[in-house]
Amino acid sequence: AQKVTQAQTEISVVEKEDVTLDCVYETRDTTYYLFWYKQPPSGELVFLIRRNSFDEQNEISGRYSWNFQKSTSSFNFTITASQVVDSAVYFCALSEAERDDKIIFGKGTRLHILP
Amino acid sequence: ETGVTQTPRHLVMGMTNKKSLKCEQHLGHNAMYWYKQSAKKPLELMFVYSLEERVENNSVPSRFSPECPNSSHLFLHLHTLQPEDSALYLCASSQEARARWEKLFFGSGTQLSVL
Repeated sequence: AQKVTQAQTEISVVEKEDVTLDCVYETRDTTYYLFWYKQPPSGELVFLIRRNSFDEQNEISGRYSWNFQKSTSSFNFTITASQVVDSAVYFCALSEAERDDKIIFGKGTRLHILP
Repeated sequence: ETGVTQTPRHLVMGMTNKKSLKCEQHLGHNAMYWYKQSAKKPLELMFVYSLEERVENNSVPSRFSPECPNSSHLFLHLHTLQPEDSALYLCASSQEARARWEKLFFGSGTQLSVL
């Protein structure tokens, strides 16, 4: 069965601090895709990143970075030098490329960046 | 013009009312989705349409009736809803429906309250 766990329900940090959002997944497939989406207060989920299971290279995009580790089934997301505009709910998601299954979203982590 | 537009943004209805949610995508995508986002629950996929054909219906009660007249428009017709149906209803689109590596583009959602 697929499962995506975001153990942190809510996090608050002061602006300019670094923060890491955890995502742990479960799958029996060797081919799968992992995603992160951001949901700001306006409501729409915004795609941030997609990784496939064969590419464990970490990725950096500006202040955002992602650490994919198959050994621990984790796909963690770090925001460096956080800003108030980073305040949102962040969702990790998993899909299995070979199966006709749904994309499974985690329950999300609500991030508050305090000025 | 945003990629995926949903109307109305907010809706309050009684249990005996009939209402419809509308979604329009301007991205030229072939697949459209309805998701339900309830408090403290993962996003739940409700329906998937690919080229106007419903390809997935995840055991959604019949009081929710989707309609996809063309690849750019998606409706969710609501009738005799229950208070537990109160949630944020999100529409999304992607280039294809079955390609599980596709990223989703979301609208801002309709916040529905059933009294």
